[in-house]
Amino acid sequence: EVQLVESGGGLVKPGGSLRLSCAASGFTFSSYSMNWVRQAPGKGLEWVSSISSSSSYIYYADSVKGRFTISRDNAKNSLYLQMNSLRAEDTAVYYCARDPASGSYYPDYWGQGTLVTVSS
Amino acid sequence: DIQMTQSPSSLSASVGDRVTITCQASQDISNYLNWYQQKPGKAPKLLIYDASNLETGVPSRFSGSGSGTEFTLTISSLQPEDFATYYCLQHNSYPQTFGQGTKVEIK
Repeated sequence: EVQLVESGGGLVKPGGSLRLSCAASGFTFSSYSMNWVRQAPGKGLEWVSSISSSSSYIYYADSVKGRFTISRDNAKNSLYLQMNSLRAEDTAVYYCARDPASGSYYPDYWGQGTLVTVSS
Repeated sequence: DIQMTQSPSSLSASVGDRVTITCQASQDISNYLNWYQQKPGKAPKLLIYDASNLETGVPSRFSGSGSGTEFTLTISSLQPEDFATYYCLQHNSYPQTFGQGTKVEIK
């Protein structure tokens, strides 16, 4: 069974940092591109970042470029999101999501999310 | 960036109704359009990929159509478990962009 379990969320002050993790199981993690997607409270979905299976290709939304860094450790079956210079508008549930194996690039399976709250 | 305009933002419907939701892209995205369903407090679930392909395990009452800039999600006969929020996503290019969402409520 595919499982994606996010962790690392919490309350952080504006300007602070947080590192999110996503533990993957039930599939060959090293073969799949991965994504982070977020959802502010009561709002819609926003794509944040994507990373290819070997970390060769990385993409960011303009809203987080220069502040967030996506990475992965295929030996540990884990995806990460380092978030620096956090702002109130970064408050959201952050979802880890997998791309399909077919060579297409979109989220097909999602974790349950971890809440990040940026507030003083 | 490609903008996705989804409509309506909400709708009220009864069990058994036929429901249609549309998404318009600001430029040609071929068939690189997905539909997701999200229930409160839950992660999104993929329903339709590449405009018209039903994800495994998704009921056949869901269907998608369109190409280029105009896309449609249709629920042929609304069931109680279908009351949720639906989002389109373009994956033609980065940054990938979602529509604003359509909340389907009980009439």
